[in-house]
Amino acid sequence: QSALTQPASVSGSPGQSITISCTGTSSDVGGYNYVSWYQQHPGKAPKLMIYDVSNRPSGVSNRFSGSKSGNTASLTISGLQAEDEADYYCSSYTSSSSLFGGGTKLTVL
Amino acid sequence: EVQLVQSGVEVKKPGESLRISCKGSGYSFTSYWISWVRQMPGKGLEWMGRIDPSDSYTNYSPSFQGHVTISPDKSISTAYLQWSSLKASDTAMYYCARLPIVVPAAIPAFDIWGQGTMVTVSS
Repeated sequence: QSALTQPASVSGSPGQSITISCTGTSSDVGGYNYVSWYQQHPGKAPKLMIYDVSNRPSGVSNRFSGSKSGNTASLTISGLQAEDEADYYCSSYTSSSSLFGGGTKLTVL
Repeated sequence: EVQLVQSGVEVKKPGESLRISCKGSGYSFTSYWISWVRQMPGKGLEWMGRIDPSDSYTNYSPSFQGHVTISPDKSISTAYLQWSSLKASDTAMYYCARLPIVVPAAIPAFDIWGQGTMVTVSS
């Protein structure tokens, strides 16, 4: 059971948009719509940002959006802000297990 | 307030046993899986396994099967992660997180996380 594949790092300037990809297989990302995304600031617990591929929990900015095509899910952050600088993880789950991506460090230039 | 509160920092020696805890409050504890997630220093999140507190049914990641044990005490809304013989490589932050089992309108993701328990194993 391999981790989902994410780019190690992405960067963008304030106001720009960035997209983080998350590639799995037809047994996880491609087979279910249970893809979620988490933001983690240094020294903090992860925070849910997106669930069911594209839904935002209450309180999460609409600058965060998600999508999926085949075995690859994506997180897009528009209007980048300094506070968005963090690590981001995707996750997928099946009836018997969960899986995380390796994580992507977002740097706001 | 819905929350998961974990036990505190642990410093142990190799070969020692350890049990850390995760206490849920503000929701129906037996309606949600409790998962444990490892984060080694400077590394990413790794799903270790989960438990259904209502009947103690567990699933483990193959990477952790046989190395740790997850258990519940539903009478006090608490889940545990335990080791019988720690190794230096178990040094990590450990998080618990909840996932709905069958809860109408619940968010099917890890929506609530504990604050983490740092475990250091060193001679």
